Amino acid sequence: QSALTQPASVSGSPGQSITISCTGTSSDIGSYNYVSWYQQHPGKAPKLILYDVSNRPSEVSNRFSSSKSGNTASLTISGLQAEDEADYYCNSYTSSSTYVFGTGTKVTVL
Amino acid sequence: EVQLVESGGGLVQPGGSLRLSCAASGFTFSTYWIHWVRQAPGKGLMWVSRIKFDGITTNYADSVKGRFTISRDNAKNTVHLQMNSLRAEDTGVYYCVRGAKWAYFFDYWGQGSLVTVSS
Repeated sequence: QSALTQPASVSGSPGQSITISCTGTSSDIGSYNYVSWYQQHPGKAPKLILYDVSNRPSEVSNRFSSSKSGNTASLTISGLQAEDEADYYCNSYTSSSTYVFGTGTKVTVL
Repeated sequence: EVQLVESGGGLVQPGGSLRLSCAASGFTFSTYWIHWVRQAPGKGLMWVSRIKFDGITTNYADSVKGRFTISRDNAKNTVHLQMNSLRAEDTGVYYCVRGAKWAYFFDYWGQGSLVTVSS
């Protein structure tokens, strides 16, 4: 049950777009469309921002989008804003009936 | 309003035991999977365990299998995580999390309970 691989940090200027990758295996991301993404601000509990690869809860900004290809999922934040500065984690269901999170990515707004 | 409130965290010596509880409200508790997710200080999230609404089906991360036991009481809207043979690497904030209905993601999180394993 190794963690999914994410870049440790990604940065961008306000208004820019950034993409965070999440690489797994054929036993998790590659086998299911059950990839979700979570945003966590310092000292706070994580918050769901995307689920089932590309679906977004109604209260989440449409600046957040995601996709999947093979064993890799990607989160894109467009029109980067100061409030987007946070940690982001991907998650996938696995063939062992468990779940696995990504290593986490710190997003910095320059 | 959906609420998940964890309790039972604290300081415990290596090899010791601790029981976390999660009190749920604001939804039909007996129809949802409940999960535990932990976060070591300054580190990432790790899925720990889950229990089905029937209280029978459970799953665990390899690193806690055989040491942790998840259970629930649908009459009291409560989930427990019994943690035995605790190790320093079990230290962290433990979140009680609701699994979305008929889905494979987490839609509501508690605020967490800190467990510290240290001598």
